[in-house]
Amino acid sequence: GQSLEQPSEVTAVEGAIVQINCTYQTSGFYGLSWYQQHDGGAPTFLSYNGLDGLEETGRFSSFLSRSDSYGYLLLQELQMKDSASYFCAVRVSTGGFKTIFGAGTRLFVKA
Amino acid sequence: NAGVTQTPKFQVLKTGQSMTLQCAQDMNHNSMYWYRQDPGMGLRLIYYSASEGTTDKGEVPNGYNVSRLNKREFSLRLESAAPSQTSVYFCASSAGANNYGYTFGSGTRLTVV
Repeated sequence: GQSLEQPSEVTAVEGAIVQINCTYQTSGFYGLSWYQQHDGGAPTFLSYNGLDGLEETGRFSSFLSRSDSYGYLLLQELQMKDSASYFCAVRVSTGGFKTIFGAGTRLFVKA
Repeated sequence: NAGVTQTPKFQVLKTGQSMTLQCAQDMNHNSMYWYRQDPGMGLRLIYYSASEGTTDKGEVPNGYNVSRLNKREFSLRLESAAPSQTSVYFCASSAGANNYGYTFGSGTRLTVV
């Protein structure tokens, strides 16, 4: 089976940096993705790591360590609009490629 | 620039009724997916279609059927709705190959009473 662990909630101050961790146990691991979802909205794709290391996209960075089955999403220069849920998701190749999502981390950004 | 379009946006069903959720994408994506989202449980994969003509079960397929009508359209059918199927349903698509990001539709909020 597949399992992903991420914190349920994180709170940070506007302008700060926050890191959301994700650990996974899975077979057929292919890569790790991150999605953002605002209340009442649809998930939107943020980043994908297929190889170990850091991927940077503007204020957001994502990291993967395949040997540790661990990844994180780093959000810099936090803004109020970053208040949302963030999901890590593993791409697996068992029975065809598909993506399995974690339960999500709710980020609260305070002024 | 529609992306992924789901219909309907809201639906209330009585237990035992059937319905089909429709999904269409205009991005020429090969792969399509149906997820359900319940509070505190993230998104769970119901069924997916890696390419036109193929469908496979995901994590929670019981009580659902799917049809990949053509490359654009992927429908989800509830044959006999149950209160446990009250959820928000999202359709998604991806190009596959080396493009791993999913594009999601706006969701269908389904209540079974």
